[in-house]
Amino acid sequence: EAGVTQSPTHLIKTRGQQATLRCSPISGHTSVYWYQQALGLGLQFLLWYDEGEERNRGNFPPRFSGRQFPNYSSELNVNALELEDSALYLCASSLRARQEEKLFFGSGTQLSVL
Amino acid sequence: AQSVSQHNHHVILSEAASLELGCNYSYGGTVNLFWYVQYPGQHLQLLLKYFSGDPLVKGIKGFEAEFIKSKFSFNLRKPSVQWSDTAEYFCAVRTLSNTGKLIFGQGTTLQVKP
Repeated sequence: EAGVTQSPTHLIKTRGQQATLRCSPISGHTSVYWYQQALGLGLQFLLWYDEGEERNRGNFPPRFSGRQFPNYSSELNVNALELEDSALYLCASSLRARQEEKLFFGSGTQLSVL
Repeated sequence: AQSVSQHNHHVILSEAASLELGCNYSYGGTVNLFWYVQYPGQHLQLLLKYFSGDPLVKGIKGFEAEFIKSKFSFNLRKPSVQWSDTAEYFCAVRTLSNTGKLIFGQGTTLQVKP
C-alpha cells in the first residue's frame, strides 16, 4: 500500500514568489493535514481538510492557503514568499476525521526561500 | 492557547541506559495524547497514544508513557535503550474542542551511543 506522497521533494524559490506543494493521501483517507516544521520549532499546524472542505487552520497569515480535491489529494499554496517560510512542509492523512484516528505522514517538501 | 512543551531538546545516552522524555501540555479539558517518532531518513510514525482508561500505555519497541492528569504530563519511558532508538521524538496533544488540530511539541533528539 502506498503511503502519503508529497511533491516536489525540494523546492527553491525567491522572495515574493509563490510556491505550490502537493500531497496525495493514502488511498481511502479523507482527511489531509499540513504542518510546517521549521528548524527548532517543532511541527506547527497549518491546515486541515476533510471531505473537500477546510475544517481548521493554524495561526498562519492568509497567504498560506490550500485546497482539497475530489480525489482527496491536496495542495498547499504559499504566496508572497518570505525568507522565514523556509521549512519542511509535512502532509499527513487519516482515515476519517475522528479523534482517535492516527496520522500517517509523508516525507515532506523542503522549501527554501532565497 | 493550547501548547505542548518538551523539556529536553537533545538527549545523549549509552545503550542499556534508561530513558525518560518529559512532555507537558497546557489545556484544562479532555485531551488525546500521542508520541510520534522520526527515525533518520524515515517518516514520522506513531509510537503510542492515550485516549482514556489505563493511564499507562504501551507502544511499539518497548516504549511506554504515563498520563498524569494532575501534572498535565505524558512522559515517555523505556527501561533500556538501543542504538536503533536514535531518532527525534515528538509529543502531541489533540483537544476535543479543536478536532483535527494536533499540537506538537518542539521535539527531542535522542542519540544512543553504542
